Amino acid sequence: GENVEQHPSTLSVQEGDSAVIKCTYSDSASNYFPWYKQELGKRPQLIIDIRSNVGEKKDQRIAVTLNKTAKHFSLHITETQPEDSAVYFCAATKDSNYQLIWGAGTKLIIKP
Amino acid sequence: ETGVTQTPRHLVMGMTNKKSLKCEQHLGHNAMYWYKQSAKKPLELMFVYSLEERVENNSVPSRFSPECPNSSHLFLHLHTLQPEDSALYLCASSQGEGTDEQFFGPGTRLTVL
Repeated sequence: GENVEQHPSTLSVQEGDSAVIKCTYSDSASNYFPWYKQELGKRPQLIIDIRSNVGEKKDQRIAVTLNKTAKHFSLHITETQPEDSAVYFCAATKDSNYQLIWGAGTKLIIKP
Repeated sequence: ETGVTQTPRHLVMGMTNKKSLKCEQHLGHNAMYWYKQSAKKPLELMFVYSLEERVENNSVPSRFSPECPNSSHLFLHLHTLQPEDSALYLCASSQGEGTDEQFFGPGTRLTVL
């Protein structure tokens, strides 16, 4: 079955620097890749997603890139701020499938 | 109340108790999900309902029993749980299938003694 691996499990960056979180997936038929952010004590929320017909998507300070050949996708956060501190989850799925396959999560720590 | 709500927010139960978790969505969505979230593990999908019919059941022990009486409500009935079932149980809803954004509730923190 589909498997999603996420790295690193913990990432500590200086405020203002960039952060990159990487995920790989196993099912080449996967075509939808969302990223969710979960702040401490709060519910996961979608922050950005990408579909397999594009290679990159940006929304202000966050961007996601997708390499279908290598079967990996990454989340990029630029000019990190304290409010970016959270656990970030990647996921993968395909059309007509109710199940998202989730990565294990990355705890992002922003150092002041 | 808007979005996805869950009750109770915290629950402590003994291994012989029976309890139920409740989820309600006010978004007009057609699909509802139960997830288990344990520390340092991926989100584990337990059950998915679409238009009140179960469409996914990921080998969950029978001590967890879901119920979806209508598209706005989802229950998780618990009985004879084990200490390893202690976790955060999250409910979510989406308009349709997995390629639609999932909206999560705040979760129920369950402790099994």
